Amino acid sequence: KQEVTQIPAALSVPEGENLVLNCSFTDSAIYNLQWFRQDPGKGLTSLLLIQSSQREQTSGRLNASLDKSSGRSTLYIAASQPGDSATYLCAVPMDGDDKIIFGKGTRLHILP
Amino acid sequence: SAVISQKPSRDICQRGTSLTIQCQVDSQVTMMFWYRQQPGQSLTLIATANQGSEATYESGFVIDKFPISRPNLTFSTLTVSNMSPEDSSIYLCSVVTESNQPQHFGDGTRLSIL
Repeated sequence: KQEVTQIPAALSVPEGENLVLNCSFTDSAIYNLQWFRQDPGKGLTSLLLIQSSQREQTSGRLNASLDKSSGRSTLYIAASQPGDSATYLCAVPMDGDDKIIFGKGTRLHILP
Repeated sequence: SAVISQKPSRDICQRGTSLTIQCQVDSQVTMMFWYRQQPGQSLTLIATANQGSEATYESGFVIDKFPISRPNLTFSTLTVSNMSPEDSSIYLCSVVTESNQPQHFGDGTRLSIL
């Protein structure tokens, strides 16, 4: 059974710093991995989707990497801003039909 | 990406009543899902809404408690039946326009049961 773990659970960093969020999964037979952002009381915003054939995916200041063999993904945020404060969730497919299972998220707070 | 409208955005309900949540997409999608997010928790999949047939429920969720309809490729409803305070959560609809593509979410329905 697939399980997704995100470390750390919470993170506070000063504005301007670069940071890395971690996601690990137990079953490496995935065909993609998706990172989301959730603002308090809101729905989820899709940030990046990495296909299993890719090693990295970039969007603006965000870079996500995927290492299937080790069951890990990282989300790198460059030059962090207060507007980046949110909960970041990673998700992987459950069993091959677009259903996804989420980690518990990393609650990020960027200090002005 | 698809634009997803979810109604209502929030509601406060009495114990024992039922509430139907609507999810409308601006384009046809292949897959529609319903999730629950309990306070302080991550998302848990309730069921896959199947067009023209019964929904597929995940372990721990049953049709009598969470009946789901999907009459076409752009619309689905989730009913939370016989509500109790334990049902207080955010309920979210998500869609996939094409297999192996990003999943997109509505803004959710914040439900509180008194």
